Amino acid sequence: DTGVSQDPRHKITKRGQNVTFRCDPISEHNRLYWYRQTLGQGPEFLTYFQNEAQLEKSRLLSDRFSAERPKGSFSTLEIQRTEQGDSAMYLCASSLALEGSEQYFGPGTRLTVT
Amino acid sequence: KNQVEQSPQSLIILEGKNCTLQCNYTVSPFSNLRWYKQDTGRGPVSLTIMTFSENTKSNGRYTATLDADTKQSSLHITASQLSDSASYICVVSEMDSSYKLIFGSGTRLLVRP
Repeated sequence: DTGVSQDPRHKITKRGQNVTFRCDPISEHNRLYWYRQTLGQGPEFLTYFQNEAQLEKSRLLSDRFSAERPKGSFSTLEIQRTEQGDSAMYLCASSLALEGSEQYFGPGTRLTVT
Repeated sequence: KNQVEQSPQSLIILEGKNCTLQCNYTVSPFSNLRWYKQDTGRGPVSLTIMTFSENTKSNGRYTATLDADTKQSSLHITASQLSDSASYICVVSEMDSSYKLIFGSGTRLLVRP
């Protein structure tokens, strides 16, 4: 399977715990994006990388959130001291670094904070 | 204020019937407009992508239209199938940051036998 993969698919955690999600993009894609989607809403942009450089972060990305893409391939999204409001689907997408390139989405990681 | 508004929020149709979903946006200037299909619990999958100069784009039974003057788009589904049951999301990107997709809330479509 050469699509975008995410791990884990589901995560249940208690409030205050830290969680980390992983995204493996399509291998030749040098752009990688993270989105958050709450129930009944469309995804919201969080951040994106071009190769290993994090080029933009949304104001939605509080200081409890950190994303990395150390070698320009896979990426991790960590949430520290989780809150119930963090419960959402976290989607990863990847694309080529060309104007208007298609973004291909992974299946998402559903986070539930109890 | 939501920059991409979709209607209806939800829709139920019988298998074999046609339907049209609407999208209004305020993003300006915009780079392109896309329609995505999202099955429950899955990531969105692209159906069509149109630049501001295009009026229509088809992908099998899906046809998207775009009126850049009125900032409206529609997605027409012909001869619906049970597998069309999903959320359909209108997505717009800005001219200066075309990588940043702005999503609508989607229309939840249920096709019944």
